Amino acid sequence: SQQGEEDPQALSIQEGENATMNCSYKTSINNLQWYRQNSGRGLVHLILIRSNEREKHSGRLRVTLDTSKKSSSLLITASRAADTASYFCATGEGGNLIFGKGTKLSVKP
Amino acid sequence: GAGVSQSPSNKVTEKGKDVELRCDPISGHTALYWYRQSLGQGLEFLIYFQGNSAPDKSGLPSDRFSAERTGGSVSTLTIQRTQQEDSAVYLCASSLASYQETQYFGPGTRLLVL
Repeated sequence: SQQGEEDPQALSIQEGENATMNCSYKTSINNLQWYRQNSGRGLVHLILIRSNEREKHSGRLRVTLDTSKKSSSLLITASRAADTASYFCATGEGGNLIFGKGTKLSVKP
Repeated sequence: GAGVSQSPSNKVTEKGKDVELRCDPISGHTALYWYRQSLGQGLEFLIYFQGNSAPDKSGLPSDRFSAERTGGSVSTLTIQRTQQEDSAVYLCASSLASYQETQYFGPGTRLLVL
């Protein structure tokens, strides 16, 4: 089955820097979603990008989608310590979402 | 409701015992999902309910796992004869319709099987 795989697995940056995380998937999709998870608990939806969209913004978040390369990227600009979390991409298949293993982002003050 | 709620927050049980995990979705959401997340791993899909349709059980790892959704709202995930490898965080999510839409997650139940 298709699966989003995030890269890198872990990322450590200083506050104020930008953070870029990538996601690759295997088969065609209708949409791709990015979620954030703090402390191994519930996930929070960040952004959904549809297959006919190439770029989407939400506050300090910018998501791109390249369906020809089957990849997406999440950019967090001007990072803050509060952005420290795990970030997952998810693609739809059948009736459920397939999540990758996530990128663990650490933003140091 | 304010959001998806799950109970209990934490559950410690002995190997071989049965456990029930509860999920209260957001009011009006027709789709409900259960996932499992082992330490440091991504989410593993377990089961999906959509309205009155038969649930998609394709992710359940064994016949010890079952789930039901009563009245199209509250759902219970039951694990019979728990094993140590069942230890994980069990997450529930709901959405307005299908997976195509944003999923709203509960805080999860952390299960530890001794």
